[in-house]
Amino acid sequence: DQQVKQNSPSLSVQEGRISILNCDYTNSMFDYFLWYKKYPAEGPTFLISISSIKDKNEDGRFTVFLNKSAKHLSLHIVPSQPGDSAVYFCAASAVGGADGLTFGKGTHLIIQP
Amino acid sequence: NAGVTQTPKFRILKIGQSMTLQCTQDMNHNYMYWYRQDPGMGLKLIYYSVGAGITDKGEVPNGYNVSRSTTEDFPLRLELAAPSQTSVYFCASSYRNRDRGRNTIYFGEGSWLTVV
Repeated sequence: DQQVKQNSPSLSVQEGRISILNCDYTNSMFDYFLWYKKYPAEGPTFLISISSIKDKNEDGRFTVFLNKSAKHLSLHIVPSQPGDSAVYFCAASAVGGADGLTFGKGTHLIIQP
Repeated sequence: NAGVTQTPKFRILKIGQSMTLQCTQDMNHNYMYWYRQDPGMGLKLIYYSVGAGITDKGEVPNGYNVSRSTTEDFPLRLELAAPSQTSVYFCASSYRNRDRGRNTIYFGEGSWLTVV
């Protein structure tokens, strides 16, 4: 059973507009959430994270929103740039959990000129 | 500025062969991980280690072995390779303190393995 779900396999956005990537989770023990960006033939790179004590975290063009009651988080990229074209993975962990992160299947973001 | 380094980048194995994927990190992280990613899927945890001499199974450990003799190195051994092990393998590391707080994991570049 998937504990972290990214229901959109792909998303196409025009350059300069806002990209919104969504993620849902089912495990109520998760309290730390991360977004990773992955280019082809490279490893995932850490992008931004949010703790469950917050509902928003911002870093430059990237903002992550967390709605704990809905078990939903989203990543907003404003404005979208061609270099943002990549696969984005949502991941989650439980503080105090012994093992690694639980990942969603990823969303392929395509920024169109 | 090496971070997590894994070798080889690409490898083709025949069914039944064995091999070791090497991984080393220079960030003095205590935790290390091996993940695999199949096409269209998320990353799945194979094995992890919380420190030298300690390893534990993740979600998909069958067909693999690991060891952690030093803080820096965490090799992944494939015994009797099978086509189902065709995948991309990522080594990763993180630092976690005693209360095992927020876990930000840093990944290597990946190793593409094909078993034929």
